[in-house]
Amino acid sequence: KAGVTQTPRYLIKTRGQQVTLSCSPISGHRSVSWYQQTPGQGLQFLFEYFSETQRNKGNFPGRFSGRQFSNSRSEMNVSTLELGDSALYLCASSPPGGGEKLFFGSGTQLSVL
Amino acid sequence: GENVEQHPSTLSVQEGDSAVIKCTYSDSASNYFPWYKQELGKGPQLIIDIRSNVGEKKDQRIAVTLNKTAKHFSLHITETQPEDSAVYFCAPLTLTGTASKLTFGTGTRLQVTL
Repeated sequence: KAGVTQTPRYLIKTRGQQVTLSCSPISGHRSVSWYQQTPGQGLQFLFEYFSETQRNKGNFPGRFSGRQFSNSRSEMNVSTLELGDSALYLCASSPPGGGEKLFFGSGTQLSVL
Repeated sequence: GENVEQHPSTLSVQEGDSAVIKCTYSDSASNYFPWYKQELGKGPQLIIDIRSNVGEKKDQRIAVTLNKTAKHFSLHITETQPEDSAVYFCAPLTLTGTASKLTFGTGTRLQVTL
């Protein structure tokens, strides 16, 4: 079974631009969560989607948004990028009946210049 | 919000020795306590978890112990090997209203030396 796939693997943007990251969950998994990982703040929860609905949200500004499609694939968008948005963005999916167990992808490394 | 602390932040052991990492949390309603391992260039991987109705769980060289009264749980790795070198995170489940999420600790970098 293929794991969680995140694209692109690396991304370089400049301040003020926007970016869209993509995540394909493990087949059969309907819940997708997004985390931001930085050396200073560690792993911070962004949001969780289940059946195309946002089920939970972390404490991030409205510039961070996401969505989930009918095939459970998810995207997250960051608008008006700031230098502090440079981070590893991790997507994780959860199996039916085991919602607490997260299966992570390798992440998208975003650098904002 | 939930406060999760891990100790130590770095740990260096010789191959074959044991390693123990402790996690303290503040949410008394937490009922699920996993540990994740993150290797360089990869996302975190679940290695062991425990629920609040159990005090200890073992899986080969890895074990997790839970003290719900004191609100802490620990990861124990015995007979450490070089491939155990990684960053380890605890991530107790926290409940906010009807929603829940894992809150990750700050991580412990384990180095197993030959």
